[in-house]
Amino acid sequence: DGGITQSPKYLFRKEGQNVTLSCEQNLNHDAMYWYRQDPGQGLRLIYYSQIVNDFQKGDIAEGYSVSREKKESFPLTVTSAQKNPTAFYLCASSPAGNTEAFFGQGTRLTVV
Amino acid sequence: GQSLEQPSEVTAVEGAIVQINCTYQTSGFYGLSWYQQHDGGAPTFLSYNALDGLEETGRFSSFLSRSDSYGYLLLQELQMKDSASYFCAVDSGNTPLVFGKGTRLSVIA
Repeated sequence: DGGITQSPKYLFRKEGQNVTLSCEQNLNHDAMYWYRQDPGQGLRLIYYSQIVNDFQKGDIAEGYSVSREKKESFPLTVTSAQKNPTAFYLCASSPAGNTEAFFGQGTRLTVV
Repeated sequence: GQSLEQPSEVTAVEGAIVQINCTYQTSGFYGLSWYQQHDGGAPTFLSYNALDGLEETGRFSSFLSRSDSYGYLLLQELQMKDSASYFCAVDSGNTPLVFGKGTRLSVIA
């Protein structure tokens, strides 16, 4: 079955550590996105990539980094520079155009 | 810039009809979409409107007025499982979707 997979579902890290969230899709979509969601809030864009080996900053990119070495994969690293990293992280992909985005099940990151 | 406004919370009775409004301001506009998200889950696509008018998909309908920069999601014959957050999102073309802050719908018996 085609879809978008995020792992792990829950992640705990100590403050000051970098952590990488995985996102893989087998939908053959060119575009991939990372969003952050805080309680009672909407989805805020962290980074996006419209083609392999290229990515763009979103609205809240500070403290995060990404790579897009393969079409299927778009990992997100939460660095120690991110001041408030505890949140629900959602990865999405879409075909050409924005008519429909497909989301992974999310990773809930807790930094203690 | 781009901004979307939608009510933060709506409560409705099982079996009733509820309308969730969304107004937007954007420099470019291709379409308005709606997503549903249950607590702890992933947003799932409900509808996309590129043209003015009402589009119906089962119990859910979505409306768009481009001249008013306004749309709404209409849910009929509400069921308890419809309790979720609903997000409108603007498609401005080559840039990623911009989402509203979401409307939390509570369906009560």
